[in-house]
Amino acid sequence: QKEVEQDPGPLSVPEGAIVSLNCTYSNSAFQYFMWYRQYSRKGPELLMYTYSSGNKEDGRFTAQVDKSSKYISLFIRDSQPSDSATYLCAIPPSSASKIIFGSGTRLSIRP
Amino acid sequence: DAGVIQSPRHEVTEMGQEVTLRCKPISGHDYLFWYRQTMMRGLELLIYFNNNVPIDDSGMPEDRFSAKMPNASFSTLKIQPSEPRDSAVYFCASSRGAAQETQYFGPGTRLLVL
Repeated sequence: QKEVEQDPGPLSVPEGAIVSLNCTYSNSAFQYFMWYRQYSRKGPELLMYTYSSGNKEDGRFTAQVDKSSKYISLFIRDSQPSDSATYLCAIPPSSASKIIFGSGTRLSIRP
Repeated sequence: DAGVIQSPRHEVTEMGQEVTLRCKPISGHDYLFWYRQTMMRGLELLIYFNNNVPIDDSGMPEDRFSAKMPNASFSTLKIQPSEPRDSAVYFCASSRGAAQETQYFGPGTRLLVL
């Protein structure tokens, strides 16, 4: 079993829709959770991070962690064509200095 | 700051040739990471350095791959000899500290081995 699993998509939704992107992880000791966004032909960039359980909101984006289910989500409200990108969940194990990335979900917002 | 700089941006080579990818991290960052991204395997960590010292190279596919960081502002990833299955986008990233710190990625090098 991979440490971090993510549905690769692609996911296509109309502009204005609410988008839900999800990852599952295997190690209950993980505490810190990140979402990176990668535009076409660019490197990934950090979008949001959360620590432990609960929600964190930043504008139209909400990151949610459910540690009991080992499930993390990224919600995008009022989605825009400019949100079209690949979204990667990322988890840094506390005992290491490297990040485990999910495979990424390719998202397309139709105007 | 100019961000992480990688060169070349694109590389097309023939099987068996040596390929050298270059990276200049953000000044002041102590960690440097080399990743490979393909459709099939996603983003894979190849190796990372802390203060110019290789810490974990368990992701390096095989002996054909080598990486060096001779100083705080320069790193190379070399493939010798290259094979078609090495075709991928190679990213360099740097960060100030441990894994919870933001990693800043370069624009990547698109490598095609014919």
